[in-house]
Amino acid sequence: DAGITQSPRHKVTETGTPVTLRCHQTENHRYMYWYRQDPGHGLRLIHYSYGVKDTDKGEVSDGYSVSRSKTEDFLLTLESATSSQTSVYFCAISAATYSYEQYFGPGTRLTVT
Amino acid sequence: GESVGLHLPTLSVQEGDNSIINCAYSNSASDYFIWYKQESGKGPQFIIDIRSNMDKRQGQRVTVLLNKTVKHLSLQIAATQPGDSAVYFCAETPTGANNLFFGTGTRLTVIP
Repeated sequence: DAGITQSPRHKVTETGTPVTLRCHQTENHRYMYWYRQDPGHGLRLIHYSYGVKDTDKGEVSDGYSVSRSKTEDFLLTLESATSSQTSVYFCAISAATYSYEQYFGPGTRLTVT
Repeated sequence: GESVGLHLPTLSVQEGDNSIINCAYSNSASDYFIWYKQESGKGPQFIIDIRSNMDKRQGQRVTVLLNKTVKHLSLQIAATQPGDSAVYFCAETPTGANNLFFGTGTRLTVIP
């Protein structure tokens, strides 16, 4: 998976609890992305980062926040998890020159009960 | 992570035959079109891309065709193998954007 790890790989949490997912890359790529994957929707972008401390919203950003304090780490936080956030979450990275050529991590399956 | 898509379009082909996976896109201002392959339990894997000013691009055993007139993209896989069984997604990136917009995917099953 192109030097990308995600942790945890599986998590079950209760409604209303905070959750943080971590994406770590060893490729020194500039861009990092968080997507969610749900039946019937394909992959949808939550947030992305174009550099340390530089982030922007994607198409489904409500209820999520992100932080990037180092090039290699991109954190996704659900401040108060809801059942609608049960999904598989993928992190992706890309180099600045070909940002459309994204490489994905193995994913995190999150279940909110 | 797992490939999802309980209601995905499906395509079944015999091993050794050619496969054609189709995708309709909506944004005529997209710059690049990309195909990804997602095997069960894994993240999507980049296969091939095509720029909007091209109509055909070939890779190893794969060919992507772009028809901008009808906003249609296709992925052709030659001599399909069991390892090609996966969900295939098309994606597009609008001009000037850094993010991708994905289609819902097609599940390809190769019959030995």
